Amino acid sequence: GAVVSQHPSWVICKSGTSVKIECRSLDFQATTMFWYRQFPKQSLMLMATSNEGSKATYEQGVEKDKFLINHASLTLSTLTVTSAHPEDSSFYICSATERGTTGELFFGEGSRLTVL
Amino acid sequence: AQSVAQPEDQVNVAEGNPLTVKCTYSVSGNPYLFWYVQYPNRGLQFLLKYITGDNLVKGSYGFEAEFNKSQTSFHLKKPSALVSDSALYFCAVRDTHNTNAGKSTFGDGTTLTVKP
Repeated sequence: GAVVSQHPSWVICKSGTSVKIECRSLDFQATTMFWYRQFPKQSLMLMATSNEGSKATYEQGVEKDKFLINHASLTLSTLTVTSAHPEDSSFYICSATERGTTGELFFGEGSRLTVL
Repeated sequence: AQSVAQPEDQVNVAEGNPLTVKCTYSVSGNPYLFWYVQYPNRGLQFLLKYITGDNLVKGSYGFEAEFNKSQTSFHLKKPSALVSDSALYFCAVRDTHNTNAGKSTFGDGTTLTVKP
């Protein structure tokens, strides 16, 4: 099956620093990748849709200058949390869909961000 | 607009008993329906999908789901629950009219607990 790798799994950083999270599709071409944020015992909150070679489409209320998304190739998308603050602490998950499929999503393992 | 409702936050069953996790949806066109499972501190895993055809679809780990168009439901079922099935389950829908491939709407999730 399609595999999505997300790195790092856990990251702790100081307030004011930036953190980059990578999402890679290992065995397929991911024309579209999605980034979510998940709070404890809650559903996924879609942050943005990332299409290869174009600018990401952000959901309403998500600051594009704070959550920088780059989808430079068909197998890699990155999310950079800039000038992180404690309220940015969360579980971030990426997913990808394969070209030509009916849209089931393949998820990364998630990244737990803790901002001190 | 598309939406998904999972009316139960929590479902508790005894091991060996059948389980049902409920999901209802709303879309403007024909739905693509999905079930995903999430274990603690992990990403989501795809379980099964309904696109077209037979209303009863079978997926991973012995799970199945029945598409009911008149009731706009897509309940997840398993004939005999295992303790290892304990996890958070998400129902998701994508409208076939949605040109943004893969952009699914998720329910709030249902925590399934299977007791020995």
